[in-house]
Amino acid sequence: QSVLTQPPSASETPGQRVIISCSGSNSNIGSGTVNWYQQLPGTAPKLLIYSNNQRPSGVPDRFSGSKSGTSAALAISGLQSEDETDYFCTTWDDSLNGVVFGGGTKLTVL
Amino acid sequence: QVQLQESGPGLLKPSQTLSLTCNVSGGSVRSGNYYWSWIRQPAGKGLEWIGHIYTNGSANCNPSLKSRVAISLGTSNNQFSLKLSSVTATDTAVYYCARLIYYDSKYNWFDPWGQGTLVTVSS
Repeated sequence: QSVLTQPPSASETPGQRVIISCSGSNSNIGSGTVNWYQQLPGTAPKLLIYSNNQRPSGVPDRFSGSKSGTSAALAISGLQSEDETDYFCTTWDDSLNGVVFGGGTKLTVL
Repeated sequence: QVQLQESGPGLLKPSQTLSLTCNVSGGSVRSGNYYWSWIRQPAGKGLEWIGHIYTNGSANCNPSLKSRVAISLGTSNNQFSLKLSSVTATDTAVYYCARLIYYDSKYNWFDPWGQGTLVTVSS
């Protein structure tokens, strides 16, 4: 049972836009910023979005993040087949004094 | 460019102690605003934060594992380690080391990650 709640799956057709949600509480998302990672099968997670909406160098601007209250969202526009993989959110939790994760969302590009 | 690489035994028996080392290239574990972290992922499941250690040696662990976990900086400036005692089958997972870039409790993120190492606990 993950501290942050994500939908287990999402799907959309190529070229369209999909949004993946991440829900938490006042002790985590509500008091900090959210990061998003992309995990291709059998590989280490890759930083996609940090501090709610910042993209590391090399991440396409098709990927964007937002946060409101105790929830956050990752939006992927212009979907491509290569985007079909797992995505998860993280943030700091003041109660845990450590990092908490979402359960991950498996994105299918139909 | 900092790179991380996990190493350690891939197969353990129940009740043994898991020992993993993370080798850091391109940087020092004793400088910067970083928490050197351990994270695990059982097959087909989500990720779990195990714990981390700051560059000054101060460590913190997930309360669910705290009684069994020890994280330390290596004697060299490019290693840190994880020990998890009394392992059971539920500790079977891919174990990742990662650098947590830490400005404060609001602004922090993992980057980069090691490639991960599978640890199996089986009799």
